[in-house]
Amino acid sequence: EDQVTQSPEALRLQEGESSSLNCSYTVSGLRGLFWYRQDPGKGPEFLFTLYSAGEEKEKERLKATLTKKESFLHITAPKPEDSATYLCAVQRGSGNTGKLIFGQGTTLQVKP
Amino acid sequence: KAGVTQTPRYLIKTRGQQVTLSCSPISGHRSVSWYQQTPGQGLQFLFEYFSETQRNKGNFPGRFSGRQFSNSRSEMNVSTLELGDSALYLCASSPILGGGYTFGSGTRLTVV
Repeated sequence: EDQVTQSPEALRLQEGESSSLNCSYTVSGLRGLFWYRQDPGKGPEFLFTLYSAGEEKEKERLKATLTKKESFLHITAPKPEDSATYLCAVQRGSGNTGKLIFGQGTTLQVKP
Repeated sequence: KAGVTQTPRYLIKTRGQQVTLSCSPISGHRSVSWYQQTPGQGLQFLFEYFSETQRNKGNFPGRFSGRQFSNSRSEMNVSTLELGDSALYLCASSPILGGGYTFGSGTRLTVV
């Protein structure tokens, strides 16, 4: 069964304190792994797509990496505006579907 | 470029009633997916449509249904509402079936 597990559930950081969020997955044939950011009361906002092990992508203070079993979202020198819930999702390569299987998310709070 | 538009943003319904939610995808996007988000279960896949055809359905009762029109706009319907149907319902669109999806802001449904 396809499954996505994110850790930790919640993370509190001081402004400038770098850290990483983890996303472990099991899926039958990975088409892509997606990272989204969600603010309270809003829909998820797309951040990155990773397709194969070894791939890395960066955007401002965020960097996503992918291995065969997990992905990391590294946050360098975070600011309070980075506070949000970060969601990881996988998409199967087979079955001609766009279905996303989401983890429970990591809620990040960055204090000034 | 307009994003994914969901209407209404908020709804309050009584148990036993039915409700219809609407989603207008990004112009040119032909794939539309629906998700239910609750604090306990996270984001759960409901169904997806491509070119007016339902391509995949999640593990939800038959009370949940949807459709897609020729202009790619989509609606989902929930009949005989239960208290447990209270959730944020999210619509997402993509140019193709698969790949990255852009989410709308959601419809917050409260069943009393």
